[in-house]
Amino acid sequence: NAGVTQTPKFRVLKTGQSMTLLCAQDMNHEYMYWYRQDPGMGLRLIHYSVGEGTTAKGEVPDGYNVSRLKKQNFLLGLESAAPSQTSVYFCASRDAGSGYTFGSGTRLTVV
Amino acid sequence: AQSVSQHNHHVILSEAASLELGCNYSYGGTVNLFWYVQYPGQHLQLLLKYFSGDPLVKGIKGFEAEFIKSKFSFNLRKPSVQWSDTAEYFCAVNGGSQGNLIFGKGTKLSVKP
Repeated sequence: NAGVTQTPKFRVLKTGQSMTLLCAQDMNHEYMYWYRQDPGMGLRLIHYSVGEGTTAKGEVPDGYNVSRLKKQNFLLGLESAAPSQTSVYFCASRDAGSGYTFGSGTRLTVV
Repeated sequence: AQSVSQHNHHVILSEAASLELGCNYSYGGTVNLFWYVQYPGQHLQLLLKYFSGDPLVKGIKGFEAEFIKSKFSFNLRKPSVQWSDTAEYFCAVNGGSQGNLIFGKGTKLSVKP
């Protein structure tokens, strides 16, 4: 039982490049989340999904897009990366009434 | 909108000292409360959580937290810290219809051996 798996673990992008971060969960959870963690800022919610085919904006959605085509996967896309998007990205999932399970994070550097 | 405040940005203690990290939240409805720990270079781990019932919650590694509804607080405590407790600690709250988890900005704990 893998829980929440994030790929890749590390990535360096040049400004303007695009990429997709993948989050996969094998717990049949309905809810999935993408957070970014920056020093002194805690974790801030980028986008979330309350079920397959649904997505919604969180606190800091600008510059990101997401998709939830399959229940187990939640993709985070950066269409044109900027240095301000250098961060550690965490995915999480949960079901109604359950606690959150976090992935191990993706460290992204945009140069 | 919900928010979470952690009062201390960085706490430095000697081993065997007692620890209390403050956490206050703003939300008028029913909430679930969490404390997470992040060791250097690692991902978040759940220390403890409060959903309902006894407001004094015991977690892993000797940590506990007390939910005081009237003060909108959920402070984390440990009677005697160890060097291995050096980490960053995050308080988090979820409430409302979507139940999104909102984090505080974190408190770094440094324990001197």
